[in-house]
Amino acid sequence: GENVEQHPSTLSVQEGDSAVIKCTYSDSASNYFPWYKQELGKRPQLIIDIRSNVGEKKDQRIAVTLNKTAKHFSLHITETQPEDSAVYFCAAPDPGYALNFGKGTSLLVTP
Amino acid sequence: GAGVSQSPSNKVTEKGKDVELRCDPISGHTALYWYRQSLGQGLEFLIYFQGNSAPDKSGLPSDRFSAERTGGSVSTLTIQRTQQEDSAVYLCASSPSAGGAGTGELFFGEGSRLTVL
Repeated sequence: GENVEQHPSTLSVQEGDSAVIKCTYSDSASNYFPWYKQELGKRPQLIIDIRSNVGEKKDQRIAVTLNKTAKHFSLHITETQPEDSAVYFCAAPDPGYALNFGKGTSLLVTP
Repeated sequence: GAGVSQSPSNKVTEKGKDVELRCDPISGHTALYWYRQSLGQGLEFLIYFQGNSAPDKSGLPSDRFSAERTGGSVSTLTIQRTQQEDSAVYLCASSPSAGGAGTGELFFGEGSRLTVL
């Protein structure tokens, strides 16, 4: 099945700085790469996704880039705010039906 | 409420007991997933339902775990003879997409926290 590796496991930035989280995947046939945000004690929620026919997608302060040749994709958060503090998960679909998640990055934004 | 509902939110049980966890998906969502999240870990896939069928059970960790879905709606995850390593948060997610996880957003419930003493 699909193997998704995510780095770093923890990330601390100052408010206003940028944060970058990187993921690699193993199945070259994967074509959908979502990112989920999980605030403490809450449910994971989709924040942005990208399909393999594009290389970059932006939504306000959040962007995702995809390099299919290298089989990696990244989440970029600019002008970070304390409310961005959460655990972020990348994911890629298994050849079956599962969505396989990375182990998560705990992001802390300090004022 | 229009979201995915799970019950119980918390369950404490003794080793060896059976537990049932319930998921009520968003109305009209044909796809339903169960995931397990252990402390500090990622989301571990358990099982996928399309309607009442489970074409992908590959993530169930042992034969102590089973799940069913009736009427294309409510799903129950059953863990028999619970072990301490079963302690985790069990998350349910539903999706309107019928083609598996590569086709759209998963809407998660708040989870059922299971503690096995």
